[in-house]
Amino acid sequence: AQRVTQPEKLLSVFKGAPVELKCNYSYSGSPELFWYVQYSRQRLQLLLRHISRESIKGFTADLNKGETSFHLKKPFAQEEDSAMYYCALNTPSGGSNYKLTFGKGTLLTVNP
Amino acid sequence: NAGVMQNPRHLVRRRGQEARLRCSPMKGHSHVYWYRQLPEEGLKFMVYLQKENIIDESGMPKERFSAEFPKEGPSILRIQQVVRGDSAAYFCASSPTGSSTGELFFGEGSRLTVL
Repeated sequence: AQRVTQPEKLLSVFKGAPVELKCNYSYSGSPELFWYVQYSRQRLQLLLRHISRESIKGFTADLNKGETSFHLKKPFAQEEDSAMYYCALNTPSGGSNYKLTFGKGTLLTVNP
Repeated sequence: NAGVMQNPRHLVRRRGQEARLRCSPMKGHSHVYWYRQLPEEGLKFMVYLQKENIIDESGMPKERFSAEFPKEGPSILRIQQVVRGDSAAYFCASSPTGSSTGELFFGEGSRLTVL
């Protein structure tokens, strides 16, 4: 069965320090992975998707199929990065449709 | 585009009552997903609907829970005879393409408290 694991519930770093939010997945098919973010008092929104291989707000994430991981990284954390981060896996859901399976989330706090 | 609208934002029910949560997807979106977030837990998939069709209800509890997305009007998640364990935040998300791109647009959630 598909599963997304985010081992850290809480992560606290200082401004300017590197940050890595861990995500591991379990899936028998070809994985499509995403990071979603929820800032305080805002809606959950897409941050980035592995297929785009892009950097958003300084964040990158590389899919490592050997380690079944999709860790989110940023070299220099900013206070505005403080938020809840969810890793998500796209999985088949009836015919040619899909649904997202989410991890439990990691609350990142960037201290001044 | 106002985004995904959920109401009520907060709902309090006593055990045994019914809860109805509504979700209006973004304009032009015909795919709706419902997720539940229990305290200390992540988002758990409940059900995926298209207009007048339930596509995937593998995450719905077998009893007391139902969902619909009629041709006209919002999607409704209905919980009958609520129990304390139903207290949670219920999130709705919509998509124009059924998550094939992985991008879902979320509402602000409806927080159900069962007394």
